[in-house]
Parts: sequence; C-alpha cells; structure tokens
Amino acid sequence: GESVGLHLPTLSVQEGDNSIINCAYSNSASDYFIWYKQESGKGPQFIIDIRSNMDKRQGQRVTVLLNKTVKHLSLQIAATQPGDSAVYFCAENPPERDDKIIFGKGTRLHILP
Amino acid sequence: EAQVTQNPRYLITVTGKKLTVTCSQNMNHEYMSWYRQDPGLGLRQIYYSMNVEVTDKGDVPEGYKVSRKEKRNFPLILESPSPNQTSLYFCASSAGTGGNSPLHFGNGTRLTVT
Repeated sequence: GESVGLHLPTLSVQEGDNSIINCAYSNSASDYFIWYKQESGKGPQFIIDIRSNMDKRQGQRVTVLLNKTVKHLSLQIAATQPGDSAVYFCAENPPERDDKIIFGKGTRLHILP
Repeated sequence: EAQVTQNPRYLITVTGKKLTVTCSQNMNHEYMSWYRQDPGLGLRQIYYSMNVEVTDKGDVPEGYKVSRKEKRNFPLILESPSPNQTSLYFCASSAGTGGNSPLHFGNGTRLTVT
C-alpha cells in the first residue's frame, strides 16, 4: 500500500557523533525521495533529495543513501550539532503521480550534550 | 527572501464559524498545496493546485475548500469548522509538479475548534 515508514520514532545521539536516520518505503517503483527537517514551531524544511537512478548523494554534512534492493533510505548527519535537533521526515514520489509526495511519520533526533 | 507565508499562526474558533487561512508565496511557483499534521498521522494532503484556477482533492479534502485565483495565493477555507479539524496546517509550494522537486513550507497555522 501507500506508506513510508520509519524504523525508529526517536533517536538520541551524542553531540559530535554521526547520526543515521532510517526509512523504509513500500513502493519499489518510486523514483524520487526527499528528506525534510522540522524544527519545533516551524514548517518542514528541505534537506536533500535523491532520484532512483542514484545510490548516494552528499550535501553539506548530510548524505542520503538509497538501497532499492531492500527499499531503504537513510539520512546520515556528520558531526551532529545541537541545531540538528528536530523531527526528520522521509518522503517518496510514487510512480505515475508526478503531483504527489507521500510522507513518513517522522523520527525525532535528540542531541545529548 | 523566498518564502511561503501563512496567516494567522494561531487561531481559536467555535464550531460552525467560517474561517479562512491565507497562504502566499513569492517564488512564482505554479504548484501549491495544503497539508494537515496530526500526532501519529503525519502530514496528510488536503488540496493541491497545479496552476491558477486548477485545484484537486488530496487525501483528506472533506470539510475544506480552496481557491486559486492568482498564482501567489492559495487560501484554505473551512465553511463550517468542526472539532475534528483541530490540527496544525501547512501550506507549501513547489517549482515542479509537486512530486518531482522539493516543497517549500510555511511555518504553519495551529487551529483549535471548540
């Protein structure tokens, strides 16, 4: 069915360590994936995206990995900082619907001092 | 600054009293959309618009109306609000078709219907 799931609802990481947020998607034909960050009191903010013809994409301190074999998406944040505390959503574009994005439920990232 | 602006940020109203939440974007985006965010349910699409005078239902359109008379504005109308419409609402716009490029979100409108 149409669903984008997350492995962990809450993730606690020591400041300075790397964070890995995981996401499982259900539609093997989805061809576009996005990670959003939502800080308290704000709307979701685009972090990074990846298309299905790629396995990896890097941004500033963030990397998205796409494993199409097991329908798995991950967001890696290097050297996690207090400002990274937020809820992170993965989202997918299902096939044949270029006007639709399906959001996952979100993972809360908590930074330990 | 490129942004999506929603108003108001907070709104408390009573059942049945019509209200409008405004949304405006300054990026000349053709695609705009409304979402509601509820605990445990995530972001769910209410209505979207691919261009001026073109609107379509999303996943949870019941009890809502929208209009798209100008490219920059996409107001959300609740003709007769009910308590189950208490939620956090987000407007978003996109340079693409909505599913092939990032969405830009407003900062949300928290609505309480008593």
